[in-house]
Amino acid sequence: NAGVTQTPKFRVLKTGQSMTLLCAQDMNHEYMYWYRQDPGMGLRLIHYSVGEGTTAKGEVPDGYNVSRLKKQNFLLGLESAAPSQTSVYFCASSLPRYGAKNIQYFGAGTRLSVL
Amino acid sequence: AQKVTQAQTEISVVEKEDVTLDCVYETRDTTYYLFWYKQPPSGELVFLIRRNSFDEQNEISGRYSWNFQKSTSSFNFTITASQVVDSAVYFCALSGNTGTASKLTFGTGTRLQVTL
Repeated sequence: NAGVTQTPKFRVLKTGQSMTLLCAQDMNHEYMYWYRQDPGMGLRLIHYSVGEGTTAKGEVPDGYNVSRLKKQNFLLGLESAAPSQTSVYFCASSLPRYGAKNIQYFGAGTRLSVL
Repeated sequence: AQKVTQAQTEISVVEKEDVTLDCVYETRDTTYYLFWYKQPPSGELVFLIRRNSFDEQNEISGRYSWNFQKSTSSFNFTITASQVVDSAVYFCALSGNTGTASKLTFGTGTRLQVTL
C-alpha cells in the first residue's frame, strides 16, 4: 500500500543542469499536485493536473514544466536549474473536490539542492 | 485571494502540557475546506483533519481537538497532554471553491517542540 511515491529522495544539481522528478500514486486519484516547501513560507503550489493529459499552473510555475501522460504518474521537470530552485518538493494526489473526498495525500518529498 | 495565517512560529512545551495552535484564514468563497497536516522530523506530510465550511461542530480525536469558528475565521488545533511524539511542524491549509481541483493554500506552519 505505497500511496504516493516520489523519486529521487535527494538530488544535487549544478546551475543549468536539468532533471525530472517522478511522482507515482496507486490510489487511482484523478488529481495530482506539485508543491515546493521553503523555510518560513509553507508549501506553495507549482503545477497541478486534473486528469491524464491535462496540466495547469499553480502559484509559482516559472522555471518548471510538468507532464501527466499516465493517470498514476506526474512528472516535474527543471530544464535549467537555478539556485533559487533549491527546495523540498512534494507531490500530492486527491479525488475531485466535489467528491467530498478531496483530501490530498502527500509523498515523502524530494530534497533538491542547486549549486 | 486566499490566505492562511499561523502567527505562532514556534512553541515549546513540557510533556503533558496542553497546547493550542492558532490558524486564521481569509477567503471570499462561501464554500471551503480547512485542513491540518503534521510534518514530523522525518519530513513527510500527514493528514490530520478536514472540515468543511458548513460544519462548525468541534471535533475531538483522542488527544487532538479542533475548534472551528466562522465568526472569527479561525480553525484552532489543541493537543491535550502533549507527548514528545507530538513534536513536529503543523500546517493549517485552506481549499476554496474555485474550479474542481483542491488547490491548497498553506500557512507558514507552527513548529511544536515537546520536551520531557
